[in-house]
Amino acid sequence: AQKITQTQPGMFVQEKEAVTLDCTYDTSDQSYGLFWYKQPSSGEMIFLIYQGSYDEQNATEGRYSLNFQKARKSANLVISASQLGDSAMYFCASAPLGDSSYKLIFGSGTRLLVRP
Amino acid sequence: DAMVIQNPRYQVTQFGKPVTLSCSQTLNHNVMYWYQQKSSQAPKLLFHYYDKDFNNEADTPDNFQSRRPNTSFCFLDIRSPGLGDAAMYLCATSRAGLNTEAFFGQGTRLTVV
Repeated sequence: AQKITQTQPGMFVQEKEAVTLDCTYDTSDQSYGLFWYKQPSSGEMIFLIYQGSYDEQNATEGRYSLNFQKARKSANLVISASQLGDSAMYFCASAPLGDSSYKLIFGSGTRLLVRP
Repeated sequence: DAMVIQNPRYQVTQFGKPVTLSCSQTLNHNVMYWYQQKSSQAPKLLFHYYDKDFNNEADTPDNFQSRRPNTSFCFLDIRSPGLGDAAMYLCATSRAGLNTEAFFGQGTRLTVV
């Protein structure tokens, strides 16, 4: 079974500053993937970044980086140099990577508001 | 170019009147998902297909059914919509076993009157 926990319902950040969104996970799978998605008010789900459980290095994608601490089962998203367009809901998700199951499960989300 | 297409974007249906939402993909992904998302909540997985294998979540009401006639198409049928079924319905696809993300459609916002 998989479970994703996001403990920050809402966050504020000043434009151009960095912000960290927390995510912890619980899974019995040996191999799994961790994902972050952004959902603006328009409703579309936008993929941001991926981390495999076997990856030794933290994933980075432009201004997004994933602080992966496997022993602590955490996969925090770091957004550097926040922009006004970053205001949105952010969801952490996980999925097992075996062939028999690929169920993508989401956390409850964090609403980020970037202040000018 | 849209790779996961959901139709319609907005659907209004009457209480108790069956409704079908559709999803198509051009990615040839073997996994397709249906999620229900209510306002300010996380997407809730209703079911997913791994190829033709249907996987229903334990807490998905019997009122919700799904069909996947081929790789490209997947349908969500709500047999007797209630007011509590009003939500955004998201379709997504992914390729199992590889390090790829799930691709989402734009969603269908269902209103029940």
